[in-house]
Amino acid sequence: LAKTTQPISMDSYEGQEVNITCSHNNIATNDYITWYQQFPSQGPRFIIQGYKTKVTNEVASLFIPADRKSSTLSLPRVSLSDTAVYYCLPFSGAGSYQLTFGKGTKLSVIP
Amino acid sequence: DSGVTQTPKHLITATGQRVTLRCSPRSGDLSVYWYQQSLDQGLQFLIQYYNGEERAKGNILERFSAQQFPDLHSELNLSSLELGDSALYFCASSPGGALSYEQYFGPGTRLTVT
Repeated sequence: LAKTTQPISMDSYEGQEVNITCSHNNIATNDYITWYQQFPSQGPRFIIQGYKTKVTNEVASLFIPADRKSSTLSLPRVSLSDTAVYYCLPFSGAGSYQLTFGKGTKLSVIP
Repeated sequence: DSGVTQTPKHLITATGQRVTLRCSPRSGDLSVYWYQQSLDQGLQFLIQYYNGEERAKGNILERFSAQQFPDLHSELNLSSLELGDSALYFCASSPGGALSYEQYFGPGTRLTVT
């Protein structure tokens, strides 16, 4: 089971780009990297998923280096509504049944 | 709105009691997952059901049990409740049977054990 390490919290001003890095040193070959977002008292929401290099969607970008021991979620031009907890989750979807989100990174966007 | 519904929204009960939490998945989704979120443990996967059958088990206590019915709704039963069981319980759903990286979470049930 890949163990992840993320910063506990981050602050950013509105309009800035935010990068949240997650370390997953023992990630398995079959693991994908997924990121979820959670607002207070709501269920998590899937943001993005990738295996290697770069993935971009309408919400965020995900950068995964060649060794895949870390990944970086990039949120462009954050707004106050991006204040949430962000979870990094290596996931294989086959045989890996331990889905533990961990504590995540609490992002606070400041006006 | 994810399309996943959970009832009740809030539940307050005493130690030693038993409660049932209910979840209705998104239309067409066959898998239902249950999670527990407490302040000190984060979001923990409990169990997954796929089309009525148990598919995967996580850190679920023996005092907890779940089932998925033919109409695909699911219930999580918590018995002999302890103070430490106070938490947010989330249900999620996905279309397929394999653990999916993209799960749709409900609004949760907040359980308070006094």
